[in-house]
Formats: sequence, C-alpha cells, structure tokens
Amino acid sequence: EDQVTQSPEALRLQEGESSSLNCSYTVSGLRGLFWYRQDPGKGPEFLFTLYSAGEEKEKERLKATLTKKESFLHITAPKPEDSATYLCAVLPYGGATNKLIFGTGTLLAVQP
Amino acid sequence: GAVVSQHPSRVICKSGTSVKIECRSLDFQATTMFWYRQFPKKSLMLMATSNEGSKATYEQGVEKDKFLINHASLTLSTLTVTSAHPEDSSFYICSARDLARVHEQYFGPGTRLTVT
Repeated sequence: EDQVTQSPEALRLQEGESSSLNCSYTVSGLRGLFWYRQDPGKGPEFLFTLYSAGEEKEKERLKATLTKKESFLHITAPKPEDSATYLCAVLPYGGATNKLIFGTGTLLAVQP
Repeated sequence: GAVVSQHPSRVICKSGTSVKIECRSLDFQATTMFWYRQFPKKSLMLMATSNEGSKATYEQGVEKDKFLINHASLTLSTLTVTSAHPEDSSFYICSARDLARVHEQYFGPGTRLTVT
C-alpha cells in the first residue's frame, strides 16, 4: 500500500537554527514528490516538485532533496515567518491519475 | 502564475440548506480539479476528483448525492453541499492540475463552511 510518513510531527526552532524535515514514502513507483506549505486557515502553497533520486530544488531558505525512499526539506537559518505546517505528498504510478497521497505534515514553529 | 481561487472564503448557512462553492483556475487551464476536506490539525482528505466534461469520481465513503460536483469548463469546478448539516461544517479546499505542468497541483485558499 502506498504510504507517506512525515517526521517530526512538530518542530520548534530558534530563529537562525537550521534543521531538516523528513518525508518517508513507500510507493510502487514514484511519478513525483511534492512539498507544500500551509498556513492556518489557508490552502497549501506549492513549494517544490522532485521527480528522481538525487534531485535537489532550492527556494530562499528552503532546499528539498530526494532519495529512493525519502525526501528532506532543509531549512537554513529560519525566520519566524517560516512558521507553518509543511506537507509532503507523492504521486504514484498506477491507480487514479494524479491522486496525491499526503503525509500528516510537520508543524514548524520558529521563535524569534 | 498557477493561481487558484475559491469563493466564498467563508459561509454560514442553516441546517437543511444547500451551499455552492466555486473553484477557479485563474491563469491556467485545468482538465482535472480535486476537492478536499480538512479537519482541524489534520491533513487533507480527498473527497472527489472533478474532470471537465465528465462525471466526478468520488472517494470511498463520500456521498455523491450530498456533495455534488460540476466541472463545466477548463477553469471552473463547483462543489454543492446539499441539505447541509452541522457535521458538514469543515474547511473545504480545491486544487487544480495545470495542463502545462502535468503532475503539479495548485491549491485554492479554502472555504470555511459553518452549518448552524
């Protein structure tokens, strides 16, 4: 069964304290892995798509990497405005077209 | 680019009435849109996949007669919650798949439905 697990569930950082969020996945075949940011009371905001192991994408203080079993979202020198829930989702081959499988998210709190 | 809007952002209705929520892709065409429901501090739960010009595909456990979906054009899908009850109160979010970026989905800002 296709599955996505995110860890930790919650993470509290001091401003400037770099860290990583993990997304482990089990799928029969991976068409793509997606990272989203969600603020309270809002829809998820698209961050990155990764397609193959070894691929990396960067945007400001965020860097996403992908292996055959997991993805990491690295946050370098975070600021309070980076506080949000970060969602990971995979799009497997087979089954319903373009049906994403989501993890439960990591709630990140960055304190000044 | 890749902006999805939803209307209304908040709605309060009385039990037994119906509510329509619109989802629009503003700067791209979307043959496929998705409707999700999200409970407090929980992840997204897919309700149905909306395909332009054809019937929606509902997830197991989602009542198609209660949650009516229409995808009449490449930029608009609507979700109608019929005969709403307090247990239907939730945060509803749509997403749209960009034809030009085959696998990527972009989400709307969500609609907070409260049924009294």
